[in-house]
Amino acid sequence: DAGVTQSPTHLIKTRGQHVTLRCSPISGHKSVSWYQQVLGQGPQFIFQYYEKEERGRGNFPDRFSARQFPNYSSELNVNALLLGDSALYLCASSPSGQGTYEQYFGPGTRLTVT
Amino acid sequence: RKEVEQDPGPFNVPEGATVAFNCTYSNSASQSFFWYRQDCRKEPKLLMSVYSSGNEDGRFTAQLNRASQYISLLIRDSKLSDSATYLCVVRANDYKLSFGAGTTVTVRA
Repeated sequence: DAGVTQSPTHLIKTRGQHVTLRCSPISGHKSVSWYQQVLGQGPQFIFQYYEKEERGRGNFPDRFSARQFPNYSSELNVNALLLGDSALYLCASSPSGQGTYEQYFGPGTRLTVT
Repeated sequence: RKEVEQDPGPFNVPEGATVAFNCTYSNSASQSFFWYRQDCRKEPKLLMSVYSSGNEDGRFTAQLNRASQYISLLIRDSKLSDSATYLCVVRANDYKLSFGAGTTVTVRA
């Protein structure tokens, strides 16, 4: 079975631009979460979506938004990019939105803002 | 105070050695606990869940101490392939995982 897939794998943008990152969960998984990982730190929670609804949001500005589609895939959008947005963006899927399930991560999108 | 704190290491050990490290978490209402492994520039991968009674998975043993709010991971008979960053992960509610910054382990021949 395919794991979590993300696209693109790498991306270079300039300050002020916007970016859209995409994620497809493991087949049968209905929950998608997004994390930002800056070099030398652990992943930081951005959003969770379950059944196309936002279930939770981390401490990120409104420049960050996301949505989930009927096929459970998801997009993360970041507007007005800052240099500090350079990071590895990870998508994770789990079977449901309940807390007992582990999350499985995709390979990430490495975003560089210049 | 950070939600999850880990000793960053690095722990530099010879093959065959035992290495152990802890993490502490701040939210006493945390529900689930995990260890993830992350190789350089790769995604985190689930190593094992941590149960209240402690659990083993091959050479890996995890312990949870709810009273003191810490989690430990012990690796026996270290292999070169165990070299990685180990992330302590805590779930405080239904939707959010909180990660520590990771403990780096390097196993040398």
